[in-house]
Amino acid sequence: DIQMTQSPSSMSVSLGDRVTITCRASQDIGNYLSWYQQKPEKSPKLMIYGATNLEDGVPSRFSGSRSGSDYSLTINSLESEDTGIYFCLQHKQYPRTFGGGTKLELK
Amino acid sequence: VQLVESGGGLVQPGKSLKLSCSASGFTFSSYGMHWIRQAPGKGLDWVAYISSSSGTVYADAVKGRFTISRDNAKNTLYLQLNSLKSEDTAIYYCARSGYRHHYYVMDAWGQGASVTVSS
Repeated sequence: DIQMTQSPSSMSVSLGDRVTITCRASQDIGNYLSWYQQKPEKSPKLMIYGATNLEDGVPSRFSGSRSGSDYSLTINSLESEDTGIYFCLQHKQYPRTFGGGTKLELK
Repeated sequence: VQLVESGGGLVQPGKSLKLSCSASGFTFSSYGMHWIRQAPGKGLDWVAYISSSSGTVYADAVKGRFTISRDNAKNTLYLQLNSLKSEDTAIYYCARSGYRHHYYVMDAWGQGASVTVSS
């Protein structure tokens, strides 16, 4: 199975901060990587797919990038509505595997 | 696009439960569908997938105990959970496998159904 190692597990951030979350894949997954945002008591929401593609309706302050087996989600100029938990997901092969999650909280 | 899960509840270890996911707002029969679960306070675990042609794939942790199925006439996805264990306690989400520029991604999720396995 492909292991997705996500870091950090939590971040305490301020409004306007630039935030970067990373997932490292244990095997080659190409660009088969998605990012999801989950708010408390809500279901996950697709933010980025194909490592770098912004889902329709997602604010342009969100972006995705890849460097080798490391995949990053960056939020430029964090807004209060961006708090929550972010997960990566590899959709290269089965079983699908998620990163452990990153909890973003305001300081 | 709307996905609504139902059928969750409290069940004893070793017993069975059947979850449903009612789909609307899209041509259900044309899409593969996933079940994903989230244990209390934990991350997301993929459970099973069924293609539009009803081919299936399962996570090792549930293989032989859970069965994913679909009824396209009813626009409904199912997950039959047998021989339940305490570690199956989780919120169970259904999600659509949507196509995005060469990629199949989980692009729409239901609100989740809570399953608690306890004596």
